[in-house]
Parts: sequence; C-alpha cells; structure tokens
Amino acid sequence: AQTVTQSQPEMSVQEAETVTLSCTYDTSESDYYLFWYKQPPSRQMILVIRQEAYKQQNATENRFSVNFQKAAKSFSLKISDSQLGDAAMYFCAYRSADSGYALNFGKGTSLLVTP
Amino acid sequence: EAGVAQSPRYKIIEKRQSVAFWCNPISGHATLYWYQQILGQGPKLLIQFQNNGVVDDSQLPKDRFSAERLKGVDSTLKIQPAKLEDSAVYLCASSFSGLAGGEQYFGPGTRLTVT
Repeated sequence: AQTVTQSQPEMSVQEAETVTLSCTYDTSESDYYLFWYKQPPSRQMILVIRQEAYKQQNATENRFSVNFQKAAKSFSLKISDSQLGDAAMYFCAYRSADSGYALNFGKGTSLLVTP
Repeated sequence: EAGVAQSPRYKIIEKRQSVAFWCNPISGHATLYWYQQILGQGPKLLIQFQNNGVVDDSQLPKDRFSAERLKGVDSTLKIQPAKLEDSAVYLCASSFSGLAGGEQYFGPGTRLTVT
C-alpha cells in the first residue's frame, strides 16, 4: 500500500515571503500522480497543483511550484510571495495510475501566514 | 457550473443512533467518492462508485456503514448504529472519469459529531 508522509504538522511564514512544505511517499509503482490540496476552515478541498510522475519537469501554478524528486520519492510544495489567504491546511496526495484512482492523503500541514 | 453539493453541513447524534448523508455530484461526473476525515488527519477513502457500481469499498466498515448511488447520480452514505469514533467530516468528491489523472472536485463536507 502506498503511504504519504508530511513531517511538518505546522509551518509559519510571513506575508510576501516564501515557504516550502515537505512530502514524501512510498510506492512500488512507476506511474502515478501527485497532488497538493488546500483545505481552508470552510473544509472545501481545493486542488493547488498536480504532477504526473512520468514528467520530469516540475509543475508550476502561478505562485505555487513543486520540487519533484522521483528517485527520492519526495514532492515538496513551494509557495512564493505568501498571502494571508494562503493560510490553510495543505495535504499532499498520491493517486495510482493503474488501479483504484482514489486519493491517498498525508496527515496535512497547517500553514499560518503572519502579516 | 455548480459544484458538488452535500447535506446536511452539520449533524449531532447520540451513539447507537443512525444518520444519513447526501451528495449530489457535478453533472456528468461518472465517478463519485466518499471520504472520511477524522480531526487531525487526511481524508481516507470509504467507497468509490463508477456510475452506479461500486469500484472500491475495501475500507468501508460494512457492519455499520452502507452507501448507494441509485441511477448513477446522487449518493447516500448511512451509518447505523453510530459509534463515538465515527465523529468526523464526511467528504464527497466527484470526477468526470475514474482515470488516474482526472481531477476530483470536493463538496463542503458534513461534520458529524457522535456524543
């Protein structure tokens, strides 16, 4: 079974600064997808960014980018120019490309953004 | 485009009582997921439907939980009888297809408190 580990229960960043959230995963599969989801207090899960394992290029979405290290099974999220609205729980998730297709989530990292 | 709808948003029941949650996915989405999110953890898949058939229910406690998706659209998740450990947020998600790269869209969730 695939496991997703987020080792940082909480992180703090000042507005306009950059923060990196860590995620590692364990799998024996070669083809899969990785995601970062944001969950604000409203509980609505919002997709931030996704990465296909077969792509070497790191995904970027505006201020959000990932550092995907397939050999190390690492998938970190970098948030640049942090904004107050970025404060939320962030979940790393794995999804098999072969079966099931349900998301396998980590425990999450709570991000606090200070003015 | 309307998002995934869930009701109720909150529910408080006593242990051994029964409860039901409703989910209406995005129109045209064939795949529907129910996740359980216990406080401080990431969501965990309970059951996945493809149209009105079950794809994966391996983590559904079948002695007390049941789910159906009649006509391949709306879905209902039931707990009977509820236990204290069932206190959690129940998230419904849908995707256009069950393929691994298909984005899952989440509803706002139902927060269940069992006393």
